[in-house]
Amino acid sequence: ETGVTQTPRHLVMGMTNKKSLKCEQHLGHNAMYWYKQSAKKPLELMFVYNFKEQTENNSVPSRFSPECPNSSHLFLHLHTLQPEDSALYLCASSQDGTGRTDTQYFGPGTRLTVL
Amino acid sequence: AQSVSQHNHHVILSEAASLELGCNYSYGGTVNLFWYVQYPGQHLQLLLKYFSGDPLVKGIKGFEAEFIKSKFSFNLRKPSVQWSDTAEYFCAVVTTDSWGKLQFGAGTQVVVTP
Repeated sequence: ETGVTQTPRHLVMGMTNKKSLKCEQHLGHNAMYWYKQSAKKPLELMFVYNFKEQTENNSVPSRFSPECPNSSHLFLHLHTLQPEDSALYLCASSQDGTGRTDTQYFGPGTRLTVL
Repeated sequence: AQSVSQHNHHVILSEAASLELGCNYSYGGTVNLFWYVQYPGQHLQLLLKYFSGDPLVKGIKGFEAEFIKSKFSFNLRKPSVQWSDTAEYFCAVVTTDSWGKLQFGAGTQVVVTP
């Protein structure tokens, strides 16, 4: 399934690096999401964008900076990360983030390792 | 705070055995309920969902789930598993207080042995 794509699939970075994760959805959706999946912890919602506007920041540290230039693209800019930020970062999209029957579809994730 | 609990973290069973994974949530209002599956090396995929109506929901690959409102539960079942069902299974909930904000359980790792 290629509805939601993410690049890169794997990323290794040092704590002083700056990198960006990219997500693209080909489903015509209007809402996009970033999640963090760490070992032995539930998926954590990080950010929500509806029609390009950020509607949720789930107390995410400022070293993570999202950007949504249009409804099809979502970025997560990373700078001065910590080793505990190592995780699988998942992007998702849905038709309408506030809709009663909304369903989210996920990308394959970016496996991030911070050294 | 709302929460989603999956009772089993690891389940190991043989092919053709029946599978039932528990999911409970803590919220008294209207909810949407989902089960997602993550096969090894693959992305999260939607197995099934419940919004309203018939509390017994059928999904892909022979899975079904039953919403029992009085028990705040949405258990996943499959009568006869296959080796290809080896995966991690996640229950997720959206509430009327927070449409669009999926809350996930911790996941259940299921291993099916040949």
